[in-house]
Amino acid sequence: QQQVKQSPQSLIVQKGGISIINCAYENTAFDYFPWYQQFPGKGPALLIAIRPDVSEKKEGRFTISFNKSAKQFSLHIMDSQPGDSATYFCAAVRGFQKLVFGTGTRLLVSP
Amino acid sequence: GAGVSQSPSNKVTEKGKDVELRCDPISGHTALYWYRQSLGQGLEFLIYFQGNSAPDKSGLPSDRFSAERTGGSVSTLTIQRTQQEDSAVYLCASSTRDPASEQFFGPGTRLTVL
Repeated sequence: QQQVKQSPQSLIVQKGGISIINCAYENTAFDYFPWYQQFPGKGPALLIAIRPDVSEKKEGRFTISFNKSAKQFSLHIMDSQPGDSATYFCAAVRGFQKLVFGTGTRLLVSP
Repeated sequence: GAGVSQSPSNKVTEKGKDVELRCDPISGHTALYWYRQSLGQGLEFLIYFQGNSAPDKSGLPSDRFSAERTGGSVSTLTIQRTQQEDSAVYLCASSTRDPASEQFFGPGTRLTVL
């Protein structure tokens, strides 16, 4: 019930391409779905987040698509850049409670 | 500083020793979380403090792990009788009381148990 499944584990995309990372959750009580970006040696930083009452949220080159009936959400990075190379974690949370993280996707954007 | 700070940044210890990891949250943040990130793994929740409420300890892996938060601010995570499987990066995060507000993470403490 608390699990968040994330795929792929790693991803290589050419500069200018679209990076897509997928997550699926089980607990329908989750009410907030953030994505975190983590660079080596740093803590995760919030990238973008969505609530289940909307199907899509876009911030710059980053878009979250949310499918409530399928209990799935995904991150799309448009025009991927080498500076986007990092590990991305999806997460889910209910209210004030702890974040439940996916296992992470290591993205490499080749020049 | 404006962000979450953690100390030490790196800690190497011998199996069986006790270690203390410190977290200074963002000023004014009432919620504080500890997570563990093992090599190649996701982030695993350990413990959560919210104001003066009893902490949520449901993620602590064994009774060798404990944490306290003094004065609603600084927190210390203590691992007693460390084991090699305790080797990981320990991350602290803080947030405001608003529901689902952003959790701001510190840089972590990398713990290596020899």
